[in-house]
Amino acid sequence: DSGVTQTPKHLITATGQRVTLRCSPRSGDLSVYWYQQSLDQGLQFLIHYYNGEERAKGNILERFSAQQFPDLHSELNLSSLELGDSALYFCASSVGSHGANTEAFFGQGTRLTVV
Amino acid sequence: GDSVTQMEGPVTLSEEAFLTINCTYTATGYPSLFWYVQYPGEGLQLLLKATKADDKGSNKGFEATYRKETTSFHLEKGSVQVSDSAVYFCALSDRASGSARQLTFGSGTQLTVLP
Repeated sequence: DSGVTQTPKHLITATGQRVTLRCSPRSGDLSVYWYQQSLDQGLQFLIHYYNGEERAKGNILERFSAQQFPDLHSELNLSSLELGDSALYFCASSVGSHGANTEAFFGQGTRLTVV
Repeated sequence: GDSVTQMEGPVTLSEEAFLTINCTYTATGYPSLFWYVQYPGEGLQLLLKATKADDKGSNKGFEATYRKETTSFHLEKGSVQVSDSAVYFCALSDRASGSARQLTFGSGTQLTVLP
């Protein structure tokens, strides 16, 4: 158990809908990262928050947004869902930012299926 | 931009066989290099890392050496076990390109070890 909790574990929804994925980082970790794992794109970085502030953005679509709350949990909001958004969404947390001396701990992921 | 290239999988070996999974990278500066492992139904776990040229990362019998001259970070294990069956990801973080706060992953290599 990495200490990072993601809910829900599975989500099935229809095209055009909106969903919210939730991540609780390890106790004491200030950084939260979101990654998308799909068959065609592999593992891709979406966005990074540190202590409530956005720090870096990767290949995140405009239909997607995220935030980190004062209690440090984070939510990833996906809207106007398309079939191609079906993927495994991972959250990771670390004490600081990724780097030579910072290990990121990954949750078990939320599997999103858009039908 | 930064990128990581892993050998194509899947890889199937017999127990006690020698394992090599090739990984090469392209980066702007001098990245930190990582190997992550993903067991079925779980999130990614850090297996080992190296932060500068000629460093060797090792853990659980796995080793990888940071080779700047060949821009490689190949994963090796002398004698694999059935319990090593998983997907292995090579990754980097690159402070010079401004992506120190995110991981760039390779496509992953599925390893199956047969008894």
